[in-house]
Amino acid sequence: ELKVEQNPLFLSMQEGKNYTIYCNYSTTSDRLYWYRQDPGKSLESLFVLLSNGAVKQEGRLMASLDTKARLSTLHITAAVHDLSATYFCAAGKLTGTASKLTFGTGTRLQVTL
Amino acid sequence: GAGVSQSPRYKVAKRGQDVALRCDPISGHVSLFWYQQALGQGPEFLTYFQNEAQLDKSGLPSDRFFAERPEGSVSTLKIQRTQQEDSAVYLCASSLVGVEAFFGQGTRLTVV
Repeated sequence: ELKVEQNPLFLSMQEGKNYTIYCNYSTTSDRLYWYRQDPGKSLESLFVLLSNGAVKQEGRLMASLDTKARLSTLHITAAVHDLSATYFCAAGKLTGTASKLTFGTGTRLQVTL
Repeated sequence: GAGVSQSPRYKVAKRGQDVALRCDPISGHVSLFWYQQALGQGPEFLTYFQNEAQLDKSGLPSDRFFAERPEGSVSTLKIQRTQQEDSAVYLCASSLVGVEAFFGQGTRLTVV
């Protein structure tokens, strides 16, 4: 059974600081996803990582994947208040023609001034 | 529409009542998923459709939960005899063949 663990569960950081969120998964996965969720809103796709060593960057966020360690990281550079949200990683297993997702419990990020 | 549409956005049900939650996927999307998100948790898989075929229903928590997609587009998740533990946000996602799924806004179900 595929399990996904994220840490930390809660992260309070000052604007301008850097930090990393970690995502471990228990068995082989076909791809790794990162999502953002604002309170009361749905999930916004941030990154999809397909292969070992994959690195993707968008603005102040950078995601990477190490399939051998079954580890993905989401690095935040010079945080700003607008990044405050809950971030989920999800490991995907292909079923039919789509990916069935197993989510972590989420990391609630609070960026303070 | 441009995105995945779910209705109603909010539903309050008395314990024991039946509810039906609707999902309109993005037009042409073959795959459709339902997820359940309890408060403060990550979404959990319920069921998956490829067109009208329900290929995986392993995540449905009990036989009170039933999903259908009779014409391969709109899907309905039905919960019979609702219980308090059914209170959650129910998310629908759809995708074309390939990588990324798009999520709807969800239906927040509160059972009182």
